[in-house]
Amino acid sequence: DTAVSQTPKYLVTQMGNDKSIKCEQNLGHDTMYWYKQDSKKFLKIMFSYNNKELIINETVPNRFSPKSPDKAHLNLHINSLELGDSAVYFCASRTRETQYFGPGTRLLVL
Amino acid sequence: AQSVTQPDIHITVSEGASLELRCNYSYGATPYLFWYVQSPGQGLQLLLKYFSGDTLVQGIKGFEAEFKRSQSSFNLRKPSVHWSDAAEYFCAVGFLTGTASKLTFGTGTRLQVTL
Repeated sequence: DTAVSQTPKYLVTQMGNDKSIKCEQNLGHDTMYWYKQDSKKFLKIMFSYNNKELIINETVPNRFSPKSPDKAHLNLHINSLELGDSAVYFCASRTRETQYFGPGTRLLVL
Repeated sequence: AQSVTQPDIHITVSEGASLELRCNYSYGATPYLFWYVQSPGQGLQLLLKYFSGDTLVQGIKGFEAEFKRSQSSFNLRKPSVHWSDAAEYFCAVGFLTGTASKLTFGTGTRLQVTL
């Protein structure tokens, strides 16, 4: 059983489109995250939710909107995609101090 | 604000040789420290972590790391590298403030293993 899963694994789309990435964890954790890994492999936090409540919102364009329908799910919707949004997006969930990551969604904007 | 430095962008070692990947952090207190590994095209897998106590921590796949407060370092080691260890390695520092906790990552070290 996969602990943190993401769909889709790959996403190729045109500039200007809107797309969503979904994340689910079956670990029973209350806190979930979205991270972005750029082309140089640098990882940076975007958002964090605790039990459906947004608790961390880094400097991210408001074209990015996270949504947590319940504490096991955290989705990321991106409006008006730009070339610079091409990256790998990782979902993670946390117990105490430790975060566990999903396999990533590789987004390519053409 | 905390920061993490991994001075080595790319390291090449021969299979069977020993390995040490360097990590230095900047933080006002004792942080939580982590090493993650990312194999090509894969997600991030937790190798090991340090919170408190014994400064030498053991992880999966034969890796260990040593926390040295005086040097603000948390270097990752393995006595004998296997070809399957070729991957990107990330050091991270975290802290916990109530329910808000986030990780700050280093820029990663790419490990290449020659046969």
